[in-house]
Amino acid sequence: DTGVSQNPRHKITKRGQNVTFRCDPISEHNRLYWYRQTLGQGPEFLTYFQNEAQLEKSRLLSDRFSAERPKGSFSTLEIQRTEQGDSAMYLCASSHLWVEGYGYTFGSGTRLTVV
Amino acid sequence: QQQVKQSPQSLIVQKGGISIINCAYENTAFDYFPWYQQFPGKGPALLIAIRPDVSEKKEGRFTISFNKSAKQFSLHIMDSQPGDSATYFCAASRTQNSGGSNYKLTFGKGTLLTVNP
Repeated sequence: DTGVSQNPRHKITKRGQNVTFRCDPISEHNRLYWYRQTLGQGPEFLTYFQNEAQLEKSRLLSDRFSAERPKGSFSTLEIQRTEQGDSAMYLCASSHLWVEGYGYTFGSGTRLTVV
Repeated sequence: QQQVKQSPQSLIVQKGGISIINCAYENTAFDYFPWYQQFPGKGPALLIAIRPDVSEKKEGRFTISFNKSAKQFSLHIMDSQPGDSATYFCAASRTQNSGGSNYKLTFGKGTLLTVNP
């Protein structure tokens, strides 16, 4: 399978704990995006990498959130001191070039539940 | 401020019928308008997309109609099938490389489509 891979698929954590998610994009893609999707809502942009450079962060990404993409390959999203409001599906997507009809490829997401 | 408004929130259609989902946007800098299909437990998958230089695009049973002056676009699913039952999201993006555009997508809130057999 050459799609976008996200791990873990599900994560349950206690409030105040730190969690880390991993995204493995399609190998030739140089752009990588993180989105957050809450129940009944569309995905919301969090941050974006081009190769290893993090080029933009949404205001949704508080100081407790950090994302990295070392060597421009896989990416990690860490949430420190989790809060119940962090419960959501975290989606990763990758793209190579903005080619007509190509668009993003999303992973299946990591569902985070903070109890 | 919601930049992309989508309606209806849910839609029930009989098999063989036409499903129509509407979206309206505010930012005139948007120049790429995709539709995504999402099944439970999966990420969104690109269905069809359009740019504002055309008023309609058709791929199989799926058609996007675009009205630039009204800042509205819609998805039509012809001959709807039970397998089309999913959540559909419209989205918009600015892809012209000016002002630091990065192709991030702004999504609508989604429409849950149910096609009854």
